[in-house]
Amino acid sequence: DQQVKQNSPSLSVQEGRISILNCDYTNSMFDYFLWYKKYPAEGPTFLISISSIKDKNEDGRFTVFLNKSAKHLSLHIVPSQPGDSAVYFCAALSGNTPLVFGKGTRLSVIA
Amino acid sequence: KAGVTQTPRYLIKTRGQQVTLSCSPISGHRSVSWYQQTPGQGLQFLFEYFSETQRNKGNFPGRFSGRQFSNSRSEMNVSTLELGDSALYLCASSYDSGGTEAFFGQGTRLTVV
Repeated sequence: DQQVKQNSPSLSVQEGRISILNCDYTNSMFDYFLWYKKYPAEGPTFLISISSIKDKNEDGRFTVFLNKSAKHLSLHIVPSQPGDSAVYFCAALSGNTPLVFGKGTRLSVIA
Repeated sequence: KAGVTQTPRYLIKTRGQQVTLSCSPISGHRSVSWYQQTPGQGLQFLFEYFSETQRNKGNFPGRFSGRQFSNSRSEMNVSTLELGDSALYLCASSYDSGGTEAFFGQGTRLTVV
């Protein structure tokens, strides 16, 4: 049973436009959510996170929104740049449990 | 500050062999987690070690095992390798167990032939 789901395996966006990556979760005990970015042949790198007590967290071009009632979070990238092309993983945790990852969404930003 | 170091970066083994992968966490980090990444399954949790004790374990067969040393370095071992074990194995370190920011190494790409 997949507790963290990223239903879009891929997404293409034009440079300068907004990229929206979505993530759904089923475990209501999750209280902290993270996004990681992964380039080929590299390990994932931490991008941005949000605690369940918030509904929005912003860091430069990256904003994460959390809708607890819908068990849904999204990552917005504005404006999208070619260097943002990567695989993005959504992850969640509760207490001392390990990170649970989604399967990832491959973002392609087209110049 | 040095990042998470995984060795070796690439490995080719034959079915039935066993393999040991190594991970050196960021200095001062006490928690090391291991993940398996395959194209179809994404990142799947293997196990987590904190202060030399296994804290959490994922749904992998007993052929997958690990340990952590007093200097926080960790090793994972896979015995009786199967073709399906071919994957990228990632190690992540964090200061605390269930750390909210885990830093990943570059991974070890294992190919079983």
